[in-house]
Amino acid sequence: EAGVVQSPRYKIIEKKQPVAFWCNPISGHNTLYWYLQNLGQGPELLIRYENEEAVDDSQLPKDRFSAERLKGVDSTLKIQPAELGDSAVYLCASSLVLGSVTGELFFGEGSRLTVL
Amino acid sequence: RKEVEQDPGPFNVPEGATVAFNCTYSNSASQSFFWYRQDCRKEPKLLMSVYSSGNEDGRFTAQLNRASQYISLLIRDSKLSDSATYLCVVNTGGGNKLTFGTGTQLKVEL
Repeated sequence: EAGVVQSPRYKIIEKKQPVAFWCNPISGHNTLYWYLQNLGQGPELLIRYENEEAVDDSQLPKDRFSAERLKGVDSTLKIQPAELGDSAVYLCASSLVLGSVTGELFFGEGSRLTVL
Repeated sequence: RKEVEQDPGPFNVPEGATVAFNCTYSNSASQSFFWYRQDCRKEPKLLMSVYSSGNEDGRFTAQLNRASQYISLLIRDSKLSDSATYLCVVNTGGGNKLTFGTGTQLKVEL
């Protein structure tokens, strides 16, 4: 079975340019997460979807970041315009959540962004 | 205070040593606890869940202390292949909000 698929794996852009990341979760997983990870730090949650609904986007910088999960499957994370400080790895994860039971998070390989 | 705190290390230990990591959390209502492992430039992967009664998986033992709000991970007879970053993960909010600690780096040496 395919795991969580992310693209692109690497992206180098100049500041003020837009960038978009795509994630295809594991089939059947109802919950999708976008995390940001800086070097030497743990993943930090940007947004969490349960099916199509964004249930937690409190840490998403909404002035420049946006996300969507159409039809409750694939998701896209966009940054416009990018800033130097956005250089990081963007991790997508999915899980099957049943009621209040938290399932294992399965991560994609991440999208490494470098902003010059 | 951070919601989930870990000693970043690095912990440099010889092969065969026993090493323990602690992780503290601030939300006393947290119910779910996990340890994830992350190899260099790779994605995190679940190592083990942490249950109230404590649990063991081979050389790895996880324990939960609700009164003091910390979880621990003990690795016995450490191997070179155990070298990685170990991330503490806690359900810190309503629903399924999972918060990661900064990770503890382990280096097992010959």
